[in-house]
Amino acid sequence: SQKIEQNSEALNIQEGKTATLTCNYTNYSPAYLQWYRQDPGRGPVFLLLIRENEKEKRKERLKVTFDTTLKQSLFHITASQPADSATYLCALTAAGNMLTFGGGTRLMVKP
Amino acid sequence: DGGITQSPKYLFRKEGQNVTLSCEQNLNHDAMYWYRQDPGQGLRLIYYSQIVNDFQKGDIAEGYSVSREKKESFPLTVTSAQKNPTAFYLCASSIIPSQGRQPQHFGDGTRLSIL
Repeated sequence: SQKIEQNSEALNIQEGKTATLTCNYTNYSPAYLQWYRQDPGRGPVFLLLIRENEKEKRKERLKVTFDTTLKQSLFHITASQPADSATYLCALTAAGNMLTFGGGTRLMVKP
Repeated sequence: DGGITQSPKYLFRKEGQNVTLSCEQNLNHDAMYWYRQDPGQGLRLIYYSQIVNDFQKGDIAEGYSVSREKKESFPLTVTSAQKNPTAFYLCASSIIPSQGRQPQHFGDGTRLSIL
């Protein structure tokens, strides 16, 4: 069956360090992969989209990589700040299908 | 500011009762979606609509119903047939039927609990 796996344990890092979150998938051939941020009690907010033929995408302090051979996407936040603390969701879709979300990883950035 | 408004923020359901969750958007988006989120789990698609007067079942449609009479509105009814309705419900929209090519815009959810 198709699976999207994100680390369910919280990631704790110190302010100023780079946070790296992982999204692994099995039995998918995704055409697009998206990352969202979700704060407690709020809806997810779109951050970045990367296509299967793109290796890397950047937006300000954010960077996403997409390795279709490893079946993995990495999401990096450089120079992390306490305000970056949230749950980050990856979502992907094969061509013609609906978006499917992973369970999310909670990031805690300590001052 | 454009966006998606969900109401109410908190809702309580009695046994045997149907409840309706509201979702309104002023983004002029064609596609709208309903998701259910349980603790520690990803969002699961309940229903989606790509155009007015048309909607499709998602992965977990049993016990739910929707309507799409207006482009701006996509209400979700949780029926008494849904035996485990306690969850966080999220409504989303996208500029076109997304299929991953476009971001989805989300409301701030409705938390439904059983009395």
